[in-house]
Parts: sequence; structure tokens; C-alpha cells
Amino acid sequence: KNQVEQSPQSLIILEGKNCTLQCNYTVSPFSNLRWYKQDTGRGPVSLTIMTFSENTKSNGRYTATLDADTKQSSLHITASQLSDSASYICVVSLGNNNDMRFGAGTRLTVKP
Amino acid sequence: DVKVTQSSRYLVKRTGEKVFLECVQDMDHENMFWYRQDPGLGLRLIYFSYDVKMKEKGDIPEGYSVSREKKERFSLILESASTNQTSMYLCASSLGSYNEQFFGPGTRLTVL
Repeated sequence: KNQVEQSPQSLIILEGKNCTLQCNYTVSPFSNLRWYKQDTGRGPVSLTIMTFSENTKSNGRYTATLDADTKQSSLHITASQLSDSASYICVVSLGNNNDMRFGAGTRLTVKP
Repeated sequence: DVKVTQSSRYLVKRTGEKVFLECVQDMDHENMFWYRQDPGLGLRLIYFSYDVKMKEKGDIPEGYSVSREKKERFSLILESASTNQTSMYLCASSLGSYNEQFFGPGTRLTVL
């Protein structure tokens, strides 16, 4: 069983709409949580990183939240654009930061 | 900007062939990683290296080996390719254990 679960598996929204992607994890000891964006045919690129003490972090239209008590994170995308179409991957780092657990990703499609 | 390059974007090999996947990073990063990415499973760590000539097994090292003779180059070797090694292979590098990983564009390997 994957220790980092993402939902939904895929999502289709209309351009301009908002959406929220979820990430639940069971791994410990927790070090940090990153959200990556992976465009088709490209490697993942980091969007945000949050440590235990941070509960929200923004990067433009992307806002990530973290509840370390319930081990849940979300990525909220505001006013979606066609270029937001990608896979979004949640990655949890353990105490040794080279030990990382990847979610399977959410495939987001933004349609005009 | 960090640049991580991989030798091939697409590769087709036959069962039993020896396969070399090359990865080069240009930012003097200490750590380098090889992952495979399969639908529904997320990224899984095959091997990583934290220094020249050093290597550590990841979660799924069976059937793979690695080589790091120079700091900037990390090679993944499939000694005898099998069909279940058909996958997307991603290389990444990071400055240290607590730093963001930067990914290459990936190599889509098909083993027939």
C-alpha cells in the first residue's frame, strides 16, 4: 500500500475554475512535503515545500496547505489556465531527506 | 538554472540486451537519483548516489546497477533487459540531503 495517497486520480475542469487536489500520508518521521508539477513528457518541477511548522504556502495561483496532525495536504489552484494541465505529485520526505515517498499523482486537465 | 539531461528521450531494446541510461547535471550537485515511473504507482527509487563512486540501493534495485565515476554523471545499467522493465526512467539531482531534487526530462524505455 502506497504511504502517500492522492485524490482524485484524475480531474477535468474548465478554464478559469478553481480546483483542489488532496494528499494523505502515513509515513513518519515527517520532514517536509513538496508538491511537484509534471508536464507531459517532462520531469517533475517543484511548486511548494512545507515543513512541519508551516500550514500554508503559496506560489502564484498555487496554494498548498498542510495539516501535520491529520497528515493531510492539499493543493489549491485558482483561476485555472490551460497550461495547468499536468500531473501533480505529492512527495513526503522522511527524517533522512534522501528518503522520499511519492504519491501516484493527480492528472489535471483544463479545458477551454 | 539547474539542468539535468538524460541521454535519450525514447529507447527501444530487446529482451536480454544490456541497456545504459546516462544522466548528467551541470550544477555540481552531490546527490543523484534514478527513479522509474509507472502509471498508478508514482515514482519509485531505484538507486541513489551521494558522492562519486558511492551508491545506495533504493526501493527497487533488483535488475539494475549504477555507476558514478564523475560527480556530474550518474548511469543506470540494465544488465539484461526484461519486458517488465518497460517504463519511464527519471534522473534527479540535489545539492544535499535537505535540498530540492531537480529532475531530467525522462527516458521512456520499451523492452520488446
